[in-house]
Amino acid sequence: QQQVKQSPQSLIVQKGGISIINCAYENTAFDYFPWYQQFPGKGPALLIAIRPDVSEKKEGRFTISFNKSAKQFSLHIMDSQPGDSATYFCAAPAGTASKLTFGTGTRLQVTL
Amino acid sequence: DTGVSQNPRHKITKRGQNVTFRCDPISEHNRLYWYRQTLGQGPEFLTYFQNEAQLEKSRLLSDRFSAERPKGSFSTLEIQRTEQGDSAMYLCASSLAGTGGMFGPGTRLTVT
Repeated sequence: QQQVKQSPQSLIVQKGGISIINCAYENTAFDYFPWYQQFPGKGPALLIAIRPDVSEKKEGRFTISFNKSAKQFSLHIMDSQPGDSATYFCAAPAGTASKLTFGTGTRLQVTL
Repeated sequence: DTGVSQNPRHKITKRGQNVTFRCDPISEHNRLYWYRQTLGQGPEFLTYFQNEAQLEKSRLLSDRFSAERPKGSFSTLEIQRTEQGDSAMYLCASSLAGTGGMFGPGTRLTVT
């Protein structure tokens, strides 16, 4: 059973700062690692994803860094904005069905 | 196509009643997943369809739960004899093979 450990549980960042969320996974036999953003009362929205054959992927202010040997990947939000305040989940696919095992979530608050 | 839709968005039911939720995936997506999310937790996998075939079920899915995807299009999730512990957000996601799932807005179930 895939386990995904996410930290920190909560994070407060000032506007313009960098938010960093970390995840560690156990099973290496997967090829897709997404991050989801969820606002209260909404379903998770796919934010950015990476395949393990690259070490970094950047989309706008969001960057995933991937360390295959350490079985870790992280989300960096540059120039954090109050609108980024949400809960962020990392996930790793598990099994041939590519169902996702989610981390426990990080509640991000970006202050003015 | 406006994304994954779910109905109803909210359902309040009394313990012991049956409920049914519907998910309409993105039309070209052949994979459909159901997840359950409780407050403060990440989504947990329930079941997976590829086209009309239900290929995997979680141990979380007790005998009171049943899911169908007739003709490989929309899907329904039925819970029989609801219990208070069934109160949660039920999320549907769809995807193409090898990509991350796109989630719907969820159905929030409250069992009184």
